[in-house]
Amino acid sequence: AQSVAQPEDQVNVAEGNPLTVKCTYSVSGNPYLFWYVQYPNRGLQFLLKYITGDNLVKGSYGFEAEFNKSQTSFHLKKPSALVSDSALYFCAVRVMDTGGFKTIFGAGTRLFVKA
Amino acid sequence: GAVVSQHPSRVICKSGTSVKIECRSLDFQATTMFWYRQFPKKSLMLMATSNEGSKATYEQGVEKDKFLINHASLTLSTLTVTSAHPEDSSFYICSARTSGRRGTGELFFGEGSRLTVL
Repeated sequence: AQSVAQPEDQVNVAEGNPLTVKCTYSVSGNPYLFWYVQYPNRGLQFLLKYITGDNLVKGSYGFEAEFNKSQTSFHLKKPSALVSDSALYFCAVRVMDTGGFKTIFGAGTRLFVKA
Repeated sequence: GAVVSQHPSRVICKSGTSVKIECRSLDFQATTMFWYRQFPKKSLMLMATSNEGSKATYEQGVEKDKFLINHASLTLSTLTVTSAHPEDSSFYICSARTSGRRGTGELFFGEGSRLTVL
């Protein structure tokens, strides 16, 4: 079955330190991968995506993600975390189904950045 | 980025009544919209894919007679929770995909609608 996994429920990091939020996927064919962020009681906001090309993808708010085909991973990273980065982060994979393309989300990882 | 508006943001209703949630793409046309349900501290569960001018495609386990979806125009999709019960209380989020090479466009999300059924 096609799926995406976020192994960590929560990630804690001090402000100014680098952060990593992990994501692994299982899909047939070439993956379309996405990261979204959700603030409390809000919808999701798009951060970045990997479709093809360079394995390192840069996105909004200084975030980046590295596509690793051999490890089937797409970890989200930021060199220096901010308190305002605290939120819920979702990794997602776009898959083809009978009804067309649909997006499957991971369980989400809550990021806490302490001042 | 593209803007998706969802209304109402919060609704409280009595058990047995029906509630309609609207999802509008404000600055782009969306032939396809998606409805998700999010439980507390849980991921998003895709409920259905809403296609303009045709019937919605429901995910397995989602009752199509309970969650009525109408996508009458390129900018509006509605989700009606019929005969709501307390177990239907949840956070419902719609999204629309911008155009792009097949399957590559990103999703833009509404702000979500929190439904509480008393």
